[in-house]
Amino acid sequence: AQSVTQLDSQVPVFEEAPVELRCNYSSSVSVYLFWYVQYPNQGLQLLLKYLSGSTLVESINGFEAEFNKSQTSFHLRKPSVHISDTAEYFCAVRMDSNYQLIWGAGTKLIIKP
Amino acid sequence: NAGVTQTPKFQVLKTGQSMTLQCAQDMNHEYMSWYRQDPGMGLRLIHYSVGAGITDQGEVPNGYNVSRSTTEDFPLRLLSAAPSQTSVYFCASSYSSSGSHEQYFGPGTRLTVT
Repeated sequence: AQSVTQLDSQVPVFEEAPVELRCNYSSSVSVYLFWYVQYPNQGLQLLLKYLSGSTLVESINGFEAEFNKSQTSFHLRKPSVHISDTAEYFCAVRMDSNYQLIWGAGTKLIIKP
Repeated sequence: NAGVTQTPKFQVLKTGQSMTLQCAQDMNHEYMSWYRQDPGMGLRLIHYSVGAGITDQGEVPNGYNVSRSTTEDFPLRLLSAAPSQTSVYFCASSYSSSGSHEQYFGPGTRLTVT
């Protein structure tokens, strides 16, 4: 069965430091990849997505993620985090043959001042 | 566009009570789904619909019913509430012509069953 693994349930990091949130998936077919962000007491919002083409995708607020097919990973990175990035981040995968998303368990990003 | 709306925002039920969580979208999306979110477990799919009149079960359907009489509305019914159904519930919608089927989420309903 397909699955998505987010290796860290929490990632504490100092403000202005870089961060990487890890996501691995298991699938032998073509996939679409997503990162969603959930700010405290809110719903989920799409942060960025990979559909095809360039393996590096960027969001408007400085996050980027790189699709690595050989390692079946889609890690999320930001070179310098801000207190406003405090949120829970979810990785999700959609198989080409299916419109349902398979979700990771989420990673809480904790920014230390 | 209002996007995806959910009511109520908060609800407290006693064990055995029934209620309906409302979800509506004004984007003409054909695909809608209900998730529950519990700490450390991510999002789990309860039920989904690929269009008006068509629904199917997700990963955790027991204790919940859905119907889809219109494209816009997708209510979730709790038949006889149990403490295990204490959770945050999210409704989401998507459309196939976007290619990616990225999902748009409502703000959630926080349900407590005592």
